[in-house]
Amino acid sequence: QVQLVQSGAEVKKPGASVKVSCKASGYTFTGYSIHWVRQAPGQGLEWMGYINPNSGDTNFAQKFLARVTMTRDTSINTAYMELSRLRSDDTAVYYCARLVGLGRKLDSWGQGTLVTVSS
Amino acid sequence: IQLTQSPSSLSASVGDRVTITCRASQGISSYLAWYQQKPGKAPKLLIYGASSLQSGVPSRFSGSGSGPDFTLTISNLQPEDFATYYCQQLNSYPPYTFGQGTKLEIK
Repeated sequence: QVQLVQSGAEVKKPGASVKVSCKASGYTFTGYSIHWVRQAPGQGLEWMGYINPNSGDTNFAQKFLARVTMTRDTSINTAYMELSRLRSDDTAVYYCARLVGLGRKLDSWGQGTLVTVSS
Repeated sequence: IQLTQSPSSLSASVGDRVTITCRASQGISSYLAWYQQKPGKAPKLLIYGASSLQSGVPSRFSGSGSGPDFTLTISNLQPEDFATYYCQQLNSYPPYTFGQGTKLEIK
């Protein structure tokens, strides 16, 4: 079955960077884009961007353009999201999710990774 | 593209029928999805393409609309349905916007 398994919780200081991984299994990794969505405590869902694991192409929300990098390693079916110059308001749960293009739906999600930014 | 969900919260009883609305600020064709999220859990896809039921989702969930207004209807509410619901447009990016969410609580 399709599974996305994310790396564990992180605590970072303001100004640092964090890199979250998302390991895919149960399907052809290069066949579906991986999207990243975050959720601050008690808040709604915020779409950050995506990576096409086949081509490496990326697209980001304007808000994150200057600070986010998304990469992938097809040899281990893993996508990565790195956010730099962290601020306290980056404290959130970060999710990866698979987009099924035909139906345009995020049909499978990782379990989430809590990133806490605190001095 | 902005998505405005209403209401932001809702109280209902087991067995009730409830409707949540999502209004898009621009045309999004039928590229609208609905997700359910429970505390501490990842969102779960319920509806895609505005009205297609995701495999494994109970048939008491249904979606309709073609823009700018879309609705999620839950018939015969069950205890496990009390959660927060989000709509998302997947017509154009960036970003693939989410609505602000609707919290469904037990009356």
